[in-house]
Amino acid sequence: AQTVTQSQPEMSVQEAETVTLSCTYDTSENNYYLFWYKQPPSRQMILVIRQEAYKQQNATENRFSVNFQKAAKSFSLKISDSQLGDTAMYFCALIRANNLFFGTGTRLTVIP
Amino acid sequence: EADIYQTPRYLVIGTGKKITLECSQTMGHDKMYWYQQDPGMELHLIHYSYGVNSTEKGDLSSESTVSRIRTEHFPLTLESARPSHTSQYLCASSEYRSGMGETQYFGPGTRLLVL
Repeated sequence: AQTVTQSQPEMSVQEAETVTLSCTYDTSENNYYLFWYKQPPSRQMILVIRQEAYKQQNATENRFSVNFQKAAKSFSLKISDSQLGDTAMYFCALIRANNLFFGTGTRLTVIP
Repeated sequence: EADIYQTPRYLVIGTGKKITLECSQTMGHDKMYWYQQDPGMELHLIHYSYGVNSTEKGDLSSESTVSRIRTEHFPLTLESARPSHTSQYLCASSEYRSGMGETQYFGPGTRLLVL
């Protein structure tokens, strides 16, 4: 069974608009960590945002925020005021048993 | 942000050649990882290390081997490259902070093409 599921292979958004990328995960642990990574075309994978499961408050990093629903095991990423530089593959990831499990990714295209 | 380096960035090589992909990090992280990623696809863990002299196989079966003689260095070796090894290889290291857990940081990757 897939540990991390991203059900949207591709998405697009108009520049300056808001977009939400979905992610669900599976774990039996009570304390864990979730991440969104961004991988621009032919460029380095970088960490966008992280969430500790024991924290109820949703993490935010500038234009990036998450909607963490622990009971539903959902961890969506919202990008506000989308910019052309946000065009990338976005991977949701979960640390479980000391290993990082990635989803299959969502390819986001920001349209001028 | 961790400083993590990979060389070469791109490599085109013939079948049967032995190759070593280099990865080094300057942050003193104990844990390091190798992932394989086909273009536009998910990452698959092939090797990881908890520290010096520690190496473990990941979820994806791989014909590669790794070594960890120094904390900062985690090279990956293919004894005999094949076209099926064509992929991108990402190295990562992680730090653990009390109260924040573990975060992985990635190198720029090596794109390997085996002819």
